[in-house]
Amino acid sequence: ETGVTQSPTHLIKTRGQQVTLRCSSQSGHNTVSWYQQALGQGPQFIFQYYREEENGRGNFPPRFSGLQFPNYSSELNVNALELDDSALYLCASSSPSPGVVNEQFFGPGTRLTVL
Amino acid sequence: QKEVEQNSGPLSVPEGAIASLNCTYSDRGSQSFFWYRQYSGKSPELIMSIYSNGDKEDGRFTAQLNKASQYVSLLIRDSQPSDSATYLCAVIPYSGAGSYQLTFGKGTKLSVIP
Repeated sequence: ETGVTQSPTHLIKTRGQQVTLRCSSQSGHNTVSWYQQALGQGPQFIFQYYREEENGRGNFPPRFSGLQFPNYSSELNVNALELDDSALYLCASSSPSPGVVNEQFFGPGTRLTVL
Repeated sequence: QKEVEQNSGPLSVPEGAIASLNCTYSDRGSQSFFWYRQYSGKSPELIMSIYSNGDKEDGRFTAQLNKASQYVSLLIRDSQPSDSATYLCAVIPYSGAGSYQLTFGKGTKLSVIP
């Protein structure tokens, strides 16, 4: 069984640029969630995708956007990068079912540095 | 605002002792609760999930849930230096819309002293 993978591992960008991060979900999982983790903080929910549709969004501005593809892989796009966007970006996959505890499994993350 | 609170620590315990990590949450309608372990520079790793009141044991780990008190805890028995990490408590608040977003605490840093 293949786990969650993310690319790239590290990324350095400058303020104002745009970035795309990628995630492949664990085999058999149809839901992908994205989280931002600043240093010393817990992960913060950005948004979730289920069957190619956005299924919930956290308190992040519209310059954070995403996609999910038919194979359940996903992209996170961030436009007009700001210094505060520097963080670890985490992708988690899951396969929610009614009445079942929804366990989410994280990929290794992408470390984004904005200069 | 739905919140999850943890003592940031650091919590230091001697090797072989029991480590006790605590978490409270604000959304009374929450149904699912998780503990993740995160080593420095790595991503969170799921170690326990619980959704019914009471205890759930898995090896050296025991998760305890008390919905009336809105309290979740994690006990680590026979603590090992390899358990030294940040432990994140996470909750799925009731949203009613079917979105299973995790709300995390800031984490408790555990240090197991040899």
